[in-house]
Amino acid sequence: QQQVKQSPQSLIVQKGGISIINCAYENTAFDYFPWYQQFPGKGPALLIAIRPDVSEKKEGRFTISFNKSAKQFSLHIMDSQPGDSATYFCAASINDYKLSFGAGTTVTVRA
Amino acid sequence: DGGITQSPKYLFRKEGQNVTLSCEQNLNHDAMYWYRQDPGQGLRLIYYSQIVNDFQKGDIAEGYSVSREKKESFPLTVTSAQKNPTAFYLCASSTGQGGIAYGYTFGSGTRLTVV
Repeated sequence: QQQVKQSPQSLIVQKGGISIINCAYENTAFDYFPWYQQFPGKGPALLIAIRPDVSEKKEGRFTISFNKSAKQFSLHIMDSQPGDSATYFCAASINDYKLSFGAGTTVTVRA
Repeated sequence: DGGITQSPKYLFRKEGQNVTLSCEQNLNHDAMYWYRQDPGQGLRLIYYSQIVNDFQKGDIAEGYSVSREKKESFPLTVTSAQKNPTAFYLCASSTGQGGIAYGYTFGSGTRLTVV
């Protein structure tokens, strides 16, 4: 049973466009929501994370939006670049233990 | 530099053979994890460990075994009982239940192929 549902499975965006990936969770005890970026053949790397007491967090071109009442959170990639082409995973956990991962979204940025 | 080291990067297994994947971390993390990644299937949890000498089965533990004799090390053995072991295996660590959340740190992975 997947505790975190992620969509879409893949998306294609033009260079300079906005990529949006959505995730939904069920467990209201989750209190830590990270996003990971993975390039082919590499391990995932932490991109950005948010706690539920904050509705938005921005780091450079990456923004997490968090809606606690709807139990949803999303990643926005602004001004998408070809180097952003990767697979993105959302995740959720209680503190820093035993993350539940979404199924992943493959983002392709066309030049 | 602190991090996680997985070895080998590529591993080939013959039918009926057990193989062991190494995972070492120098981050002083309490918790360690093993994931399996198949194309298009995301990350599936095999085993995890919160402390030394204790580990728990994840979602797909059948055909795998682990040990946690040292805080720094969490090796994974893929046994002959695992009928479809070809996959990309990822080891990760985190501060754990009692720690401040900084997120997982992942290793660079081991690609296992059955020949």
